[in-house]
Amino acid sequence: AQKITQTQPGMFVQEKEAVTLDCTYDTSDQSYGLFWYKQPSSGEMIFLIYQGSYDEQNATEGRYSLNFQKARKSANLVISASQLGDSAMYFCAFLYNFNKFYFGSGTKLNVKP
Amino acid sequence: DTAVSQTPKYLVTQMGNDKSIKCEQNLGHDTMYWYKQDSKKFLKIMFSYNNKELIINETVPNRFSPKSPDKAHLNLHINSLELGDSAVYFCASSQGAGGDYGYTFGSGTRLTVV
Repeated sequence: AQKITQTQPGMFVQEKEAVTLDCTYDTSDQSYGLFWYKQPSSGEMIFLIYQGSYDEQNATEGRYSLNFQKARKSANLVISASQLGDSAMYFCAFLYNFNKFYFGSGTKLNVKP
Repeated sequence: DTAVSQTPKYLVTQMGNDKSIKCEQNLGHDTMYWYKQDSKKFLKIMFSYNNKELIINETVPNRFSPKSPDKAHLNLHINSLELGDSAVYFCASSQGAGGDYGYTFGSGTRLTVV
């Protein structure tokens, strides 16, 4: 069975500092995808970044980067230069078998001014 | 233009009622999904349709019935609503497996059963 784990239910970071949100997964599949989504208090789900299991380079999108360590089965999200607007829930998600898509339990990030 | 739109945004209803949530996407995607987000914010897939065919049907009570009249629409009908059905329901779409662009989510429907 596939499993995805986010061990940090809540985190605080000072504005302008970097923060790492942890995500680990458990699978025997070789081909899969990893995603991060942001859910602000308004409730919508916003796609942030994607990493394929065969991608050799870590994915980056602006201030977001994914620290992908395949051997350790971890896909941590790094947010550089945190902004107040980054305060939200963050979900790691695991995709396998093309349409089996599972979410972690989420991490609530609070950015302090 | 809204890419994935769900209606209604809020739904309050009594136990035992039957209700529907509608979802439409204008992205030309061929796959649509329903997710349930519980009070602890955990998201769980319920159904997935690809080109109007059901491809994922997770363990969900058969009171929940998805209907896809065409690949741009995926509606969710719930019979005999129970208190435990209270949650936020998200519709999403993707092109094939999702890949580099992930899934596009609707804004969610907050269902409250009283």
